[in-house]
Amino acid sequence: NAGVTQTPKFRILKIGQSMTLQCAQDMNHNYMYWYRQDPGMGLKLIYYSVGAGITDKGEVPNGYNVSRSTTEDFPLRLELAAPSQTSVYFCASSYPGQGATINTGELFFGEGSRLTVL
Amino acid sequence: GEDVEQSLFLSVREGDSSVINCTYTDSSSTYLYWYKQEPGAGLQLLTYIFSNMDMKQDQRLTVLLNKKDKHLSLRIADTQTGDSAIYFCAESIRPGGGNKLTFGTGTQLKVEL
Repeated sequence: NAGVTQTPKFRILKIGQSMTLQCAQDMNHNYMYWYRQDPGMGLKLIYYSVGAGITDKGEVPNGYNVSRSTTEDFPLRLELAAPSQTSVYFCASSYPGQGATINTGELFFGEGSRLTVL
Repeated sequence: GEDVEQSLFLSVREGDSSVINCTYTDSSSTYLYWYKQEPGAGLQLLTYIFSNMDMKQDQRLTVLLNKKDKHLSLRIADTQTGDSAIYFCAESIRPGGGNKLTFGTGTQLKVEL
């Protein structure tokens, strides 16, 4: 299994450009998340999804959009890139557990996408 | 509200023990986690503890939880250079309800020879 795969790994954007960060997981996880990581700030939740067709805002959703048309994919879109969106973006997934399976809540992370907006 | 705090840096000598501390504010947290992030990589789960436990030991790792003070710590025994990384604590209120983890700021551990 590949786990959680993010593309691209690196990208430089000009102010006002748009782009999509791709995220795919092959673990059949219902839950998926987008976090951004800034130095000294930890990880902040941008958007999350509990299943195909369902998305919800996290702590810092402004300037971003997401969609979840399939269980596997959870792309993050930046419509009008701004310097404040320079960050490392992490996609993650988790399994809610079924029946007797204990859900420990572990998140499985991709390797990250480093975005610079100039 | 949910706020998780950690000191930003810790430096230890190889072979010594490392203790990384974390405070959280949400007393309804059900699970607390420690994640490790190596340079240029994503986060990986190191260990977790249920909120009804005081301690959990896993090889060189010991997690202590003080619910009264909302304090969580991670002790790494016999710290090695390969332990150099950023360590994040995180809390979860509802693992079955979307499991939105709130992460701390991260502690960068530097292991010196």
